[in-house]
Amino acid sequence: DAGVTQSPTHLIKTRGQHVTLRCSPISGHKSVSWYQQVLGQGPQFIFQYYEKEERGRGNFPDRFSARQFPNYSSELNVNALLLGDSALYLCASSFGFNEQYFGPGTRLTVT
Amino acid sequence: AQSVTQLDSHVSVSEGTPVLLRCNYSSSYSPSLFWYVQHPNKGLQLLLKYTSAATLVKGINGFEAEFKKSETSFHLTKPSAHMSDAAEYFCVVSDTQGGSEKLVFGKGTKLTVNP
Repeated sequence: DAGVTQSPTHLIKTRGQHVTLRCSPISGHKSVSWYQQVLGQGPQFIFQYYEKEERGRGNFPDRFSARQFPNYSSELNVNALLLGDSALYLCASSFGFNEQYFGPGTRLTVT
Repeated sequence: AQSVTQLDSHVSVSEGTPVLLRCNYSSSYSPSLFWYVQHPNKGLQLLLKYTSAATLVKGINGFEAEFKKSETSFHLTKPSAHMSDAAEYFCVVSDTQGGSEKLVFGKGTKLTVNP
């Protein structure tokens, strides 16, 4: 079975630009969560979506937004990029409230 | 709020010797606890989870963890380290307040295995 997939693998953006990251959950999983992992730190929770509705939001500015589609895939959008947004962005899927399975992540570099 | 503290940022062992990675948790209710491993330039892999069943939890690759409520600890152990165990390990608590289930990660422990 395919695991959680994320695209792109890497990308480089300039300050002030916008970025869209994509995630496809494990088949049958209806919940998708997003995490930001800054170098040398543990991942920080950004959003959780379940059945296309936002269930939770972490302590991130409004520049961060997300959505979940009818096929349960998800997008994370970040506007007005800052240097501090450089990080590994991880997507995790789960079947309801259960253990979360992570994708390989998208490495975002903001210059 | 739920939180975890990993007591060591780095642990170094020799191949074939035991591994102990320490984690303390803080929780206002009976917690769900996890250990995840992250190899360099890879995503996170679930090693094991505790959800109020048996206090000794067995995971993949020979790892296990013991939930001790009296000590608020959830330490990860392995009897004999292998070179392939070298990675970053995260202790995680689940926070289900507010209608979502967010994972709260510790800062990580980097495990080095020496030949």
